[in-house]
Amino acid sequence: SAVISQKPSRDICQRGTSLTIQCQVDSQVTMMFWYRQQPGQSLTLIATANQGSEATYESGFVIDKFPISRPNLTFSTLTVSNMSPEDSSIYLCSVSLGSIYGYTFGSGTRLTVV
Amino acid sequence: GNSVTQMEGPVTLSEEAFLTINCTYTATGYPSLFWYVQYPGEGLQLLLKATKADDKGSNKGFEATYRKETTSFHLEKGSVQVSDSAVYFCALSEGGSNYKLTFGKGTLLTVNP
Repeated sequence: SAVISQKPSRDICQRGTSLTIQCQVDSQVTMMFWYRQQPGQSLTLIATANQGSEATYESGFVIDKFPISRPNLTFSTLTVSNMSPEDSSIYLCSVSLGSIYGYTFGSGTRLTVV
Repeated sequence: GNSVTQMEGPVTLSEEAFLTINCTYTATGYPSLFWYVQYPGEGLQLLLKATKADDKGSNKGFEATYRKETTSFHLEKGSVQVSDSAVYFCALSEGGSNYKLTFGKGTLLTVNP
């Protein structure tokens, strides 16, 4: 299975600022997925990041708030823009190398907005 | 659309007790099914999976069988340990490497010595 390095692991940010989260994968993958896990809740897909094209956002998530870059097949970034306390969550990236391998997750970025 | 419904928690057990966490799903096709575990303060780890009907996934003493007739994928373990305390998520994917995961709400398991 793939190994994902995600950073930062945690951050405390002021409201109104932006934070960029990075995910580096040790294998080339077609799509990367970004999830949000609000406190005590399950995971919700934010968007699917395609290399060389615009990310596909799920209902309730917009590019202006969560811009995503995917410059190559091993790297992606998610930016949380103009943050408010409601953005305090764990953000995780994920990839799959095929259904027999399941999906691998990064260790997550624990974001607190104050 | 796809959905996953899993047993509401929290679940509290004594060490060596039998564990069942129920999971049922709704999907339009023939999904792959997963159980993920999240230990306190950590990310998600794949616990086990099954990709077709009647498959049994197993890992670390945990088992789950893909039951197409009941659209279920219940997680079981015969004898839990304190170290099994975590949040368990049931999830499905429509298949292939390019499809998103749909998660259940998660079940918090606490095992007391």
